[in-house]
Amino acid sequence: DAEITQSPRHKITETGRQVTLACHQTWNHNNMFWYRQDLGHGLRLIHYSYGVHDTNKGEVSDGYSVSRSNTEDLPLTLESAASSQTSVYFCASSPGTLYQQYFGPGTRLTVT
Amino acid sequence: AQKITQTQPGMFVQEKEAVTLDCTYDTSDPSYGLFWYKQPSSGEMIFLIYQGSYDQQNATEGRYSLNFQKARKSANLVISASQLGDSAMYFCAMRESGGFKTIFGAGTRLFVKA
Repeated sequence: DAEITQSPRHKITETGRQVTLACHQTWNHNNMFWYRQDLGHGLRLIHYSYGVHDTNKGEVSDGYSVSRSNTEDLPLTLESAASSQTSVYFCASSPGTLYQQYFGPGTRLTVT
Repeated sequence: AQKITQTQPGMFVQEKEAVTLDCTYDTSDPSYGLFWYKQPSSGEMIFLIYQGSYDQQNATEGRYSLNFQKARKSANLVISASQLGDSAMYFCAMRESGGFKTIFGAGTRLFVKA
């Protein structure tokens, strides 16, 4: 069955370190997204991609970067982790504009 | 600009009763989609129901229905015959056809009482 996976599921890192969160989907969807979820804020969009080699900034993109070298993967990199980036991160994919998004299980990141 | 508002931070409902979760939105795009997702305590995001802005009828999926009032820009989720397993966080979301990002409301936490 097609799926979307994230790794690691839990990560603890120190302030200033570079961290990469992986997202892999086997739906063959062109659209992929990264969100962060914080209490009281719902999900906020970090970056999104329409297809290979395409990336775009979302509403809270500062301190994050993504790259899309193939259809299946959209890794999220925190260039220099900050305590404010402690959050739960969700990756999602979608086959098109007005379609539901399929979410990964989430990664809980703690920056100490 | 896109905006989604969920005014109920928490709701209680008795098992087997119906409950309505409110969602209002704002957009200038005539073509858009509205979504509801459920997030149980285990953390995963589960898609529940979708309503397109041009759909003539309200969407239904099993015990879930969407009360779509376009002129009022509201898209309330109705859960009929609540079950204990419905206790979760519920998010309303919107995506404009002219853009690729989906925005989410802050969510409503539903508690189903036995």
